[in-house]
Amino acid sequence: DAGVTQSPTHLIKTRGQQVTLRCSPKSGHDTVSWYQQALGQGPQFIFQYYEEEERQRGNFPDRFSGHQFPNYSSELNVNALLLGDSALYLCASSLRGPGTQYFGPGTRLLVL
Amino acid sequence: AQSVTQLDSQVPVFEEAPVELRCNYSSSVSVYLFWYVQYPNQGLQLLLKYLSGSTLVKGINGFEAEFNKSQTSFHLRKPSVHISDTAEYFCAVSDPQGQGGSEKLVFGKGTKLTVNP
Repeated sequence: DAGVTQSPTHLIKTRGQQVTLRCSPKSGHDTVSWYQQALGQGPQFIFQYYEEEERQRGNFPDRFSGHQFPNYSSELNVNALLLGDSALYLCASSLRGPGTQYFGPGTRLLVL
Repeated sequence: AQSVTQLDSQVPVFEEAPVELRCNYSSSVSVYLFWYVQYPNQGLQLLLKYLSGSTLVKGINGFEAEFNKSQTSFHLRKPSVHISDTAEYFCAVSDPQGQGGSEKLVFGKGTKLTVNP
């Protein structure tokens, strides 16, 4: 049973560019959440998708947007990259309702 | 808003010694509580969770945690650590009363456990 997968594993961009990160949830899961983990910090919630709609959003600007596809996979898009966007971006999948979120290995983004 | 405080940023211990990693949360409602472990350059792996029921929760790799509602704590313990337990440990809380989907996790800043020979 494949767990949560993310691509790419690493990415280097320059300020002002745009980036798209991808996530495939664990088999049978229908909800995808995205988190940003800056160096030395705990993960911060960006947003969550369920039934192809954004259901919850954390304190992140509109430069951060996302999408969920009918097969439950998801994308995170970040526009107009800033140096401060450099971080590990984690995707987590789960079933609707309370319970456990399972995390992928993350995408490490470096903005120069 | 919910918050999680991990009281120790770094905990060094010797192999086979016991360890306790402390976590306190602030919430006025019932919560779900989690401990995750992160090995270098990897994602998060669930160690254990408290949703309801017994306040003593057993997880993987010999870890356990105790939910204390009166003290709003969820401390993680292991009676005898191994070198391989060296990692960063994150405590997280979620609100089961939220709307739609699953509930977002609020994480602490993490505790780096270093097990020395």
